Amino acid sequence: AQSVTQLDSQVPVFEEAPVELRCNYSSSVSVYLFWYVQYPNQGLQLLLKYLSGSTLVKGINGFEAEFNKSQTSFHLRKPSVHISDTAEYFCAVTPRPAAGANNLFFGTGTRLTVIP
Amino acid sequence: DGGITQSPKYLFRKEGQNVTLSCEQNLNHDAMYWYRQDPGQGLRLIYYSQIVNDFQKGDIAEGYSVSREKKESFPLTVTSAQKNPTAFYLCASSIAGTGAEKLFFGSGTQLSVL
Repeated sequence: AQSVTQLDSQVPVFEEAPVELRCNYSSSVSVYLFWYVQYPNQGLQLLLKYLSGSTLVKGINGFEAEFNKSQTSFHLRKPSVHISDTAEYFCAVTPRPAAGANNLFFGTGTRLTVIP
Repeated sequence: DGGITQSPKYLFRKEGQNVTLSCEQNLNHDAMYWYRQDPGQGLRLIYYSQIVNDFQKGDIAEGYSVSREKKESFPLTVTSAQKNPTAFYLCASSIAGTGAEKLFFGSGTQLSVL
């Protein structure tokens, strides 16, 4: 079975400061990893994903994440945040091979609040 | 524009009442999913359907029912048996077999109990 832990439920950060949102996972098999963003009263939008290859993955809106297999982590980073980055961020995993999204396991989310 | 439409955006349920949440997609996707989102929790899978006229229970199917009579539509009924229905409900779709990396979400329905 898979599980995802997002260590911080809320992260406040000042505008233009860097941010890291932490994600650790547990799985007995290899996994694919995802970060989603959710704006208020909206659905989830895919930020980035790790399927294979380079462990440093770049996504939309200037975000990037690094897959660390030994630490079973997939932390999300941005060097300089904007007000518009205020949202809820979800880390998710699915076992390989991902035949369907019915095996997608989500973390509990991190609310990023960017302070002007 | 292609996408997933959920309606209504806000819905209220009285005690003992069944309510139906609509989900329509024009992406020509085979697979559709219903998730429930509670504050401070991740998304949990209620039901999913990989093909028309077929669907499977997810992790928290009790108190819910679905149908998949058309490829474009996957309505979710919250029955009176669901004792704690207040939540944000998200519908999603994907091309069958593509997995989570090609998942598209609707904008959600907030269900509250009167």
